[in-house]
Amino acid sequence: DIQMTQSPSTLSASVGDRVTITCRASQSISDWLAWYQQTPGKAPKLLIYKASTLESGVPSRFSGSGSGTEFTLTISSLQPDDFATYYCQQYHSYSTFGQGTKLDIK
Amino acid sequence: EVQLVESGGGLVQPGGSLRLSCAASGFTFSAYAMHWVRQAPGKGLEYVSAIDSNGHSTYYANSVKGRFTISRDDSKNALYLQMGSLRAEDMAVYYCARGIQLWLFDSWGQGTLVTVSS
Repeated sequence: DIQMTQSPSTLSASVGDRVTITCRASQSISDWLAWYQQTPGKAPKLLIYKASTLESGVPSRFSGSGSGTEFTLTISSLQPDDFATYYCQQYHSYSTFGQGTKLDIK
Repeated sequence: EVQLVESGGGLVQPGGSLRLSCAASGFTFSAYAMHWVRQAPGKGLEYVSAIDSNGHSTYYANSVKGRFTISRDDSKNALYLQMGSLRAEDMAVYYCARGIQLWLFDSWGQGTLVTVSS
C-alpha cells in the first residue's frame, strides 16, 4: 500500500500570509495527487487534482505542484475562509489520504 | 446540481450490523464509480470501499474486508454499505463520494454518523 505523509500536522498563520503544505508518497505516484479542504462539520471539498489542476470554482490563490513522491499545496494570500484542514490523496493505486494539516489562525 | 445524501447511521452494539444508504441526484448515477470514505471523531479521512459503474468490481480496505459489503441500485440511484461485525474502531462519520478518474472524488455527501457502543 502507498503511504502518504503530510507536513506539518499543524500550521499557524495570519490572513494575508503565504503558506505551503507538503505531502510525500512512499513510492512514485506520478502526478496522481489531489488536495482536499475540510472545515469542521463539513464534507471534504476537492481543490486540486493531477497535482496542479485547479478544480472549477477554486480561487487562484490555491496552487499545487510536484510529481513522483513530493508535492506541495500553496496558498498565496490566506483569506479567512482558508482556515481549515487540508488532506492530500494519492489515486495512483486505489486511494490513500495523508493524515491532514490543520491550518489555524495565529 | 450533484447531490449525495447519506442515511442509516446510528447507534449499534459491538458485533452488530448496520446498512448505510446514499441517495444520488443531479447526475447520471450509473455512469460513475462510487465510494465510501469514513472519518473517526477528531481523526483524518480513511478510505473504505469502492464499486465501479457497472457494479461488477468492488474494493475494500483491509480494515473492513470480509465484514462490509458495498452495492448499488442504479434503478434507484442509490449506493449502499452493509456493515457487519462492527467494532469500536468502525465508529465514524461515513461519507459517500462520486468517483471521477475512478479514485478521485469530486462530490461528497454530508455524512452519516455510526456509533458503535454497548
